[in-house]
Amino acid sequence: GQQLNQSPQSMFIQEGEDVSMNCTSSSIFNTWLWYKQDPGEGPVLLIALYKAGELTSNGRLTAQFGITRKDSFLNISASIPSDVGIYFCAGQLSDVDNDYKLSFGAGTTVTVRA
Amino acid sequence: DSGVTQTPKHLITATGQRVTLRCSPRSGDLSVYWYQQSLDQGLQFLIQYYNGEERAKGNILERFSAQQFPDLHSELNLSSLELGDSALYFCASSVGSRMETQYFGPGTRLLVL
Repeated sequence: GQQLNQSPQSMFIQEGEDVSMNCTSSSIFNTWLWYKQDPGEGPVLLIALYKAGELTSNGRLTAQFGITRKDSFLNISASIPSDVGIYFCAGQLSDVDNDYKLSFGAGTTVTVRA
Repeated sequence: DSGVTQTPKHLITATGQRVTLRCSPRSGDLSVYWYQQSLDQGLQFLIQYYNGEERAKGNILERFSAQQFPDLHSELNLSSLELGDSALYFCASSVGSRMETQYFGPGTRLLVL
């Protein structure tokens, strides 16, 4: 799949802080997705973005689909202990044959200091 | 609980062997996806089936194959196993063929010794 660069790789944050992570790609995508994975479980979809420039919120989470279609960011506001986990971005590209290519970032590991 | 079930939860085997991982999608979901998650490669999409037919292919090795049965459960077959195949294998399902609506199962942890 396409190479996605996700940063930062890990972060330690203070409870109550706002945090931000992003993904960039050398290729464009039709859809950007953000997932969270807790230990021992599969990823859970947090936010899906379908249009360049789109800004979408899900509770304390906000994500944006970059104008160039090559990047996306995720913000977590007022972090709490249960925000601990690994956050993945994923980019999806569908071509004229309706084949879907889905590529994942390497993940951002979030640890919250109480 | 996502409603997607995977068996077995853990699997330990030796190099050169063949294993089969099983996935039951959520009730009503027609699409099944398989993913591999390893420390060095991250989460990689392998293959998608929709209503019994292959729908999309990702980074699936030729030694790996999958199928979706009439009752919509799916199996991922891994053969001629190598040490590097050790990973978490996730199955996901969705109602239609759109990947963004998929729900992931708990995974099967495969260890090849």
